[in-house]
Order: sequence, then structure tokens, then C-alpha cells
Amino acid sequence: SAVISQKPSRDICQRGTSLTIQCQVDSQVTMMFWYRQQPGQSLTLIATANQGSEATYESGFVIDKFPISRPNLTFSTLTVSNMSPEDSSIYLCSVAGVHDSGANVLTFGAGSRLTVL
Amino acid sequence: QQPVQSPQAVILREGEDAVINCSSSKALYSVHWYRQKHGEAPVFLMILLKGGEQKGHEKISASFNEKKQQSSLYLTASQLSYSGTYFCGSRAGGTSYGKLTFGQGTILTVHP
Repeated sequence: SAVISQKPSRDICQRGTSLTIQCQVDSQVTMMFWYRQQPGQSLTLIATANQGSEATYESGFVIDKFPISRPNLTFSTLTVSNMSPEDSSIYLCSVAGVHDSGANVLTFGAGSRLTVL
Repeated sequence: QQPVQSPQAVILREGEDAVINCSSSKALYSVHWYRQKHGEAPVFLMILLKGGEQKGHEKISASFNEKKQQSSLYLTASQLSYSGTYFCGSRAGGTSYGKLTFGQGTILTVHP
């Protein structure tokens, strides 16, 4: 399965600022996903990022708040804009790929833990 | 539609068994199980594709009942390494690829 590197692993940010999270994959993948995990909560999909097209956002998430870039098949960025304390979460990048069993499954990066003061 | 997991939390002693359930109000094409240890990324455990099919991973197995739109994860003779949060995930619309929607998670704690 793919190996995913996310940067930064954690950061402390001031209210009103923006932060860009980078996701690098060691192989070319078609579909990349950005999830948010609020403290003690489940994994909530923010958007699907396919190379060469605009990201598709889930209900409750908008491009102005979470702009995404997907310049090639191994890289994506997620920006959290105009942050507020409610944006304090772990943001996870994931990719779809074929598991050894033949099934199409998700592999996750280690996540970026953001704390907004 | 988010799958619903039960129970929310389980506390075990080493060697004990546990069952985690996952259900959906919508038709399930497949059910994925992931485990997330504290501070780490979720890791894929197994996928269930057919009704009633059981899969195994170490001493962890799962079943999938399409008619009832339910899946259950069975952890037998639990080990300390089983501690973590378990998530089930589903795909909508009968697709075999793409995004997953996850349940709220079940926290499993195994004590010596």
C-alpha cells in the first residue's frame, strides 16, 4: 500500500490565520481524500481531490474555508483559512488503492494536529 | 449516511472476547473495518463484500449481513495490542471504490 507523508505533523496557530497542510504520496494515485477528526470524534470527509479537476466538497465544507490543490498524482494540499478555535482538529490525508487482498481500501497519513488559539 | 456503531466503548482484560457492531439505514455494498491507536493513523483491518462472509485478521474476524445492513467485528482472546478505536466505514451507491463514510467509533481498552 501507498506511503503517505504529511506536513506539518502538528502546529499551533493564531485565530484568523491560515495554514496549509501538505500531503505527499510515494506512488501515483487517482483519488485523494481529506478527512477531519475533531477531538474524540469520528473521521469526517472534507473533500475528494482528483488530479486535473476541482475538488468535490462534502456538505458543510466550502472551498473558501478549505481550498485544496492537486497539482499532480502524488501531491495535494489543504488550506484551513481564517482559523478559529473550532478548527482545532486532526486533518488526515488518505488515498484509495488496491490492498494485497485485491480490495480497494484507504490508506491514511499520520495526520496534522492543529490547535487554534 | 453515517453508519452507527455499538457499543461506544468496551473495557476488557487480556484473553476476553468482544463484539463491535456496525449498522446502516441504507443498503451497504461493503463494510470496511479500521483500527486507530492513540496518536496514530487509522489502519485498514479488513473488508467485507458479500452477505454473511467472514474475514479474519489475527484473532479478529468479521461478518456482514446484507439483509440486515449490519456488520460485526469479533475480537477473541484479546491482547493488549488490540487497544484502540475501531471504525467501520461504508461506501454509498454500490460503488467498489472512492470515499468512505465512517461510524462514530468504538473505543476498545484491554487491560493486563
